[in-house]
Amino acid sequence: GIQVEQSPPDLILQEGANSTLRCNFSDSVNNLQWFHQNPWGQLINLFYIPSGTKQNGRLSATTVATERYSLLYISSSQTTDSGVYFCAVFSGNAGNMLTFGGGTRLMVKP
Amino acid sequence: DTGVSQNPRHKITKRGQNVTFRCDPISEHNRLYWYRQTLGQGPEFLTYFQNEAQLEKSRLLSDRFSAERPKGSFSTLEIQRTEQGDSAMYLCASSRPTVVYGYTFGSGTRLTVV
Repeated sequence: GIQVEQSPPDLILQEGANSTLRCNFSDSVNNLQWFHQNPWGQLINLFYIPSGTKQNGRLSATTVATERYSLLYISSSQTTDSGVYFCAVFSGNAGNMLTFGGGTRLMVKP
Repeated sequence: DTGVSQNPRHKITKRGQNVTFRCDPISEHNRLYWYRQTLGQGPEFLTYFQNEAQLEKSRLLSDRFSAERPKGSFSTLEIQRTEQGDSAMYLCASSRPTVVYGYTFGSGTRLTVV
């Protein structure tokens, strides 16, 4: 099956710093989604981004499907950005199943 | 849009007991998914419904697991004869008929088997 790898696995930032999280996938995918899992376990949808670039406030994401990677940019990080960021790609027979990467665990220190 | 609702939030059970979880998707979403997440890992796909039809099942869904969506609205996931390895977060998600807007996940049910 398709493999999804995220880097770095762990990241510690000082509040106000910028960061880039990377997601590589092993095969062609129909679509890709970025999630933030907060300390209570809730998975929050950040971006649904099959290709191109999207921005939402301090977050933006870029997917280059032909090169099989996606990037999530966090600017001016805040302590509330802490948690785990997951990249997930759509696969399966009908393209509905999400295969998740291992996540990037982010801690933003005040 | 009231979000995806899951109950209970937490469940502690003794090994060998049966447990059932419930998921209420967003009302206009006809697709419903179950995932399982163990500590430190990303969620793993279990099964998928379109309306009341179960269209895809993972090999992770052993014969002790059964999922239903009888009227195409809420869904239940039952685990029979629970084992300690079943301890995990069970996540439900729903999506529109085309996943253009992606999935919306519920808060999950955390199962602990003692």
